[in-house]
Amino acid sequence: KAGVTQTPRYLIKTRGQQVTLSCSPISGHRSVSWYQQTPGQGLQFLFEYFSETQRNKGNFPGRFSGRQFSNSRSEMNVSTLELGDSALYLCASSPEWGGADTEAFFGQGTRLTVV
Amino acid sequence: TQLLEQSPQFLSIQEGENLTVYCNSSSVFSSLQWYRQEPGEGPVLLVTVVTGGEVKKLKRLTFQFGDARKDSSLHITAAQPGDTGLYLCAGDDGAGSYQLTFGKGTKLSVIP
Repeated sequence: KAGVTQTPRYLIKTRGQQVTLSCSPISGHRSVSWYQQTPGQGLQFLFEYFSETQRNKGNFPGRFSGRQFSNSRSEMNVSTLELGDSALYLCASSPEWGGADTEAFFGQGTRLTVV
Repeated sequence: TQLLEQSPQFLSIQEGENLTVYCNSSSVFSSLQWYRQEPGEGPVLLVTVVTGGEVKKLKRLTFQFGDARKDSSLHITAAQPGDTGLYLCAGDDGAGSYQLTFGKGTKLSVIP
């Protein structure tokens, strides 16, 4: 079974630009979550999608947005990039949510560097 | 806001030693996961614990969920260099928030 695939693996962008990251979940998984990981803050929740609907959003500014397609693939977009957006962005897929089914399988991440 | 406190933050031990990593919270979690992450890679799920008092073993790794489902521990017996990495605990509050709350991790180095 193929794992979670994130593209691209690495990105370098300039302040003020925008960026789109992609995530293909494990086949059959309908929940896709996004996390930002930085050395100082650890993993912080961005948002979670299920069946094309955003079910929850973390404490990030409106510059961070996402969507999910009918095949469960998800994208996240960051507009007007700031230096502080440099981080490892991780996507996780889950079959369902609740108890033993709340198992998140992570992709390798996209390393975004803003210069 | 739920918080998961992990301790210690850093751990450097000799090959063959035993160690325990702790994950504590004042909140109750319906499930808790442990992950290991290597530099530049995503976290890899090790185990999920759901029932209070539950103990799960994965070769030399033993995971325990506290009776009150507020804390967990990871014990490694006879650590090996291959165990080196960042160990993360993550909890689901079971309240339909559809997000995992992560601890900041324990960075383990096992010296040959």
